[in-house]
Amino acid sequence: DQQVKQNSPSLSVQEGRISILNCDYTNSMFDYFLWYKKYPAEGPTFLISISSIKDKNEDGRFTVFLNKSAKHLSLHIVPSQPGDSAVYFCAARTTNFGNEKLTFGTGTRLTIIP
Amino acid sequence: NAGVTQTPKFQVLKTGQSMTLQCAQDMNHEYMSWYRQDPGMGLRLIHYSVGAGITDQGEVPNGYNVSRSTTEDFPLRLLSAAPSQTSVYFCASSLTAGGVEQYFGPGTRLTVT
Repeated sequence: DQQVKQNSPSLSVQEGRISILNCDYTNSMFDYFLWYKKYPAEGPTFLISISSIKDKNEDGRFTVFLNKSAKHLSLHIVPSQPGDSAVYFCAARTTNFGNEKLTFGTGTRLTIIP
Repeated sequence: NAGVTQTPKFQVLKTGQSMTLQCAQDMNHEYMSWYRQDPGMGLRLIHYSVGAGITDQGEVPNGYNVSRSTTEDFPLRLLSAAPSQTSVYFCASSLTAGGVEQYFGPGTRLTVT
């Protein structure tokens, strides 16, 4: 049972345009949602997060939107740059008596076309 | 700071062999964890530790052991390697158990034949 789903394995976007990456989840107990970025042969790096009590968080070119009623979040990158080409993982956190765990999606490979 | 380091980068094992994947962090983080990444599966939590001397199982712990004798080190042991353990393994750490931002190592690519 995959609790965090990224239904698009890949996405290509023209440089300068908006990239929108989507993520759906099923567990209502998630309290934080995160996006990680991964380049080949490197570990994932944290990009941006949002608390379940908010609907938007912005950091420079990156904005994450959370729609709790639809159990959906999205990452917007504006404007897209060649260095944004990477695999993006959506993740969600559960907290259970002090034990926090992250559940990751399967990733979306973003390619920015110059 | 070196951050999170992992050794080796690559490893080939025969079925039944054992080995230890090393992970170390120099950020004085309490929380450390091991994930495996498989095609189409995302990252799955194997084991984690909220501090020295404390470990717990994640989503896919079978076939793996961990221990945490110091804050800095969190080795992952494969007791008897199986082809199903062919994967890329990532170690991660965060300041506290509740930290949403985890710092990942560069990964170890393991092949079991």
